[in-house]
Amino acid sequence: GQQLNQSPQSMFIQEGEDVSMNCTSSSIFNTWLWYKQEPGEGPVLLIALYKAGELTSNGRLTAQFGITRKDSFLNISASIPSDVGIYFCAASGGGATNKLIFGTGTLLAVQP
Amino acid sequence: KAGVTQTPRYLIKTRGQQVTLSCSPISGHRSVSWYQQTPGQGLQFLFEYFSETQRNKGNFPGRFSGRQFSNSRSEMNVSTLELGDSALYLCASSPQTRTVSGNTIYFGEGSWLTVV
Repeated sequence: GQQLNQSPQSMFIQEGEDVSMNCTSSSIFNTWLWYKQEPGEGPVLLIALYKAGELTSNGRLTAQFGITRKDSFLNISASIPSDVGIYFCAASGGGATNKLIFGTGTLLAVQP
Repeated sequence: KAGVTQTPRYLIKTRGQQVTLSCSPISGHRSVSWYQQTPGQGLQFLFEYFSETQRNKGNFPGRFSGRQFSNSRSEMNVSTLELGDSALYLCASSPQTRTVSGNTIYFGEGSWLTVV
C-alpha cells in the first residue's frame, strides 16, 4: 500500500537530547498530522498542520508543514524517557475525505 | 469527553470464520474511518464513512466490509478469515468541520485480531 517516506527509521538517544524526524512525499497534501504510538495502543495525535509553511508547537514538540506541501518535520526538544515510542507522520488530501496516508514510522528510544 | 471506543480489544478467530469489530466515535464526530496495521505493511486505509455513506475505500479485497449507523457508530466485518488478516484494526473519527483543508483525526486503541 501507499506510504510516506519517513526518516530516520529508528533513533537511540540520551535523555536531554533533541530529536528531529521528517516525512516526504511525491504528492501534494493539504494536511499533515503527527502521531505517537506506544506498544499495544492506538496512535495518539500530537500535532495537526493545515497550511503550507505552518509551524506549530505542542510543549516540547514542534512540527512544520513544508512550503511545497510535500513534506513535514517533527522536532522534540530535551527528550525524556516517556518520549519512547513510534512516531508516525500522516497526510491527507483534505476536502471531502479524511483518508490518511501514513509514514513508515520512527522508533525512538531514550536512555536515561 | 470520551475518546474513540473500539470493541472487542482482543480476539482470536479460526481461518474461514468471520469477525465483526465495533467502533463508537467521539461524540459529535460524523466521519469514521478504519485502518489495518501490520508489521509488514504498516498502517493501511480500509474505508471511510460519513453520514452512513461509504465515501472512500482502500485497496482491500471484498471480504472486508463496513457500515455506519445513524448514530455514527460503525462496524467492520471480515469474512472468510485468512492468516494474513491477523492485525491491529484501528478506528478513527473526525468532526469533519473543515471543507478545504483536512480535519483532525483521532484514533481508538484498536482491536487486536489473531487468526489461527
